[in-house]
Amino acid sequence: AQKVTQAQTEISVVEKEDVTLDCVYETRDTTYYLFWYKQPPSGELVFLIRRNSFDEQNEISGRYSWNFQKSTSSFNFTITASQVVDSAVYFCALYIIQGAQKLVFGQGTRLTINP
Amino acid sequence: DSGVTQTPKHLITATGQRVTLRCSPRSGDLSVYWYQQSLDQGLQFLIQYYNGEERAKGNILERFSAQQFPDLHSELNLSSLELGDSALYFCASSVAGPYGEKLFFGSGTQLSVL
Repeated sequence: AQKVTQAQTEISVVEKEDVTLDCVYETRDTTYYLFWYKQPPSGELVFLIRRNSFDEQNEISGRYSWNFQKSTSSFNFTITASQVVDSAVYFCALYIIQGAQKLVFGQGTRLTINP
Repeated sequence: DSGVTQTPKHLITATGQRVTLRCSPRSGDLSVYWYQQSLDQGLQFLIQYYNGEERAKGNILERFSAQQFPDLHSELNLSSLELGDSALYFCASSVAGPYGEKLFFGSGTQLSVL
């Protein structure tokens, strides 16, 4: 079964702290894609990153970084020097290619950055 | 702005009624996806269309149906509405379904069933 687990329901930190959002996925497929989306208070879903299963390189984009480890089926997201504008719900998602192609989302982590 | 347009933004209706949600994908995108976001179920995949044909089905109720038209816009029809159907309904589009292309989401339609 394909599943995405974001164990942290809510995280609250003070501005400028680093914070890591955990994501663990399950799939039997050897080819798949992993995503992170951000949902700010305004409600829209904003794409952050896509990673395919063959590319285990970590990625850094400004204050954002992602750590993909196939050995532990994890795709964690770190925000460095957090800012109030980072407050949002963050979703990790798994795109399944075999069979019913669809994006399966985790339950989301609500991140609150306090000034 | 993702380029995906959903209308209406808000919809308030009564139990037993029928509503239609509309989605215009980004220019050039052939795939359209519908998702339902509720507090208890999170983001649930409902259905996907690719170039007018149904490609994948998720947790879509029999009271719900969808279609994608020749101009690639899509409609999600919800009938015999129940209180539990109150949710945020997202449409997303991508260039091609099978290859993990990133999905661009619309801003959603907030449905309230009273």
